This record gives sequence, C-alpha cells and structure tokens, in this order.
Amino acid sequence: GAVVSQHPSRVICKSGTSVKIECRSLDFQATTMFWYRQFPKQSLMLMATSNEGSKATYEQGVEKDKFLINHASLTLSTLTVTSAHPEDSSFYICSARARKGADGYTFGSGTRLTVV
Amino acid sequence: GNSVTQMEGPVTLSEEAFLTINCTYTATGYPSLFWYVQYPGEGLQLLLKATKADDKGSNKGFEATYRKETTSFHLEKGSVQVSDSAVYFCALSEGYGNKLVFGAGTILRVKS
Repeated sequence: GAVVSQHPSRVICKSGTSVKIECRSLDFQATTMFWYRQFPKQSLMLMATSNEGSKATYEQGVEKDKFLINHASLTLSTLTVTSAHPEDSSFYICSARARKGADGYTFGSGTRLTVV
Repeated sequence: GNSVTQMEGPVTLSEEAFLTINCTYTATGYPSLFWYVQYPGEGLQLLLKATKADDKGSNKGFEATYRKETTSFHLEKGSVQVSDSAVYFCALSEGYGNKLVFGAGTILRVKS
C-alpha cells in the first residue's frame, strides 16, 4: 500500500535555528501533500497544502515566511521551521494524497519538534 | 464552512465494554466521512470510512454509519480491548483527495 516516510521523528533545536522536516512518498507519486500541526491533546490543524512544482497554499494565520514548504518532486515535500522559538514546539504531521489506497490519504508518522 | 464535532474525552472503559464516540458534522455538500486512530507518538491511521449516506464503514470490530438525516458518524465497538487505547479522530472531506477537516479528537483509555 501507499507509504509515507517522515523524518526526523524527533528533533531538538536551539532557539533561533532552523529545522527541516522531510516527507517522502515511498511507493507512489504524490502531487499534493498536506502539513499539519498538532498541539498537545488537541486536534490536527492544517497548516498548508503543498503542490508539486508550485507554491504552497497556506491556511489563514500560518506564517509562510516562518514555515517554508518546498515540494520539489513528486515524492518529496519539506517543511522548514525558520528561526524557531519555543512556541513552535509541536508535533508536525504530513499527509500525501495517493492515487491508490483506502481513502487517498496516507499520513507520515510525525515529527516531535522541541525548541529550547 | 465545514466542521466536525466530537464528544469530549477522555473516555475510560473497562475491557470488553461497549464503546460509542459521537461525531457530528456540518458540510455544504456531500462529504466523505472518516475515522482515524492515533497511537501515542505516531501519525494517523485510517480506521474506517463511508462515502455516502447509509454506508457503514467497519474495521477491526469498529463500525460507523453515515447518517445524513442526523449529520452523524458515530463510532462504535461492541467489546473494547486495552490495545484500543488511543486517540480517535472523526474527519470529513469534500471531493476525493481534498483536504481533511478533523474533529478535536477523543482519547480512549481501556483498563484491564
């Protein structure tokens, strides 16, 4: 079935540095990927929709200059948290739209970002 | 806009108890409805889905029926196990592959 690999699973970084999170579709081409943020004990908040070869579409309230999304190929999308601050600490999850699969969505295993 | 409302948790049950997690939705069209499960520290896994009214999704003993008249998609299981402890999310999407709208999630804790 469709598999999405998200890396790293955990990362700790210092305030002011940037962190890149990768989301790869391993056995299918994903023209669209979604990036979510999940706060403790809360639901998933859609941050942006990433389309291969074009600019990402950001949800209202999400700073596009802080959360840089690049979808350079049909199998890879990256989210870079720039100049990270402790309030950026969260669980980030990507999802890819698969042509095959039970519902068309496959989720990565998530990245726990801690900014100290 | 579209939205999903789930019952608040946590829900704490003893093993073999009956489970119901309520989910209602608001949508402008005819959405597909989903239940996802998230185990600690992991991403989401599709549990079941229904794409049209009166459809019943089922998987691993869990069931949910798409009720258009009550705009609901309640999750049920006849006998829960400790391994069912997780967070359950109800979600909808309008159109194949369009973005998912999630409910707040319901924590389920099953005690042995």
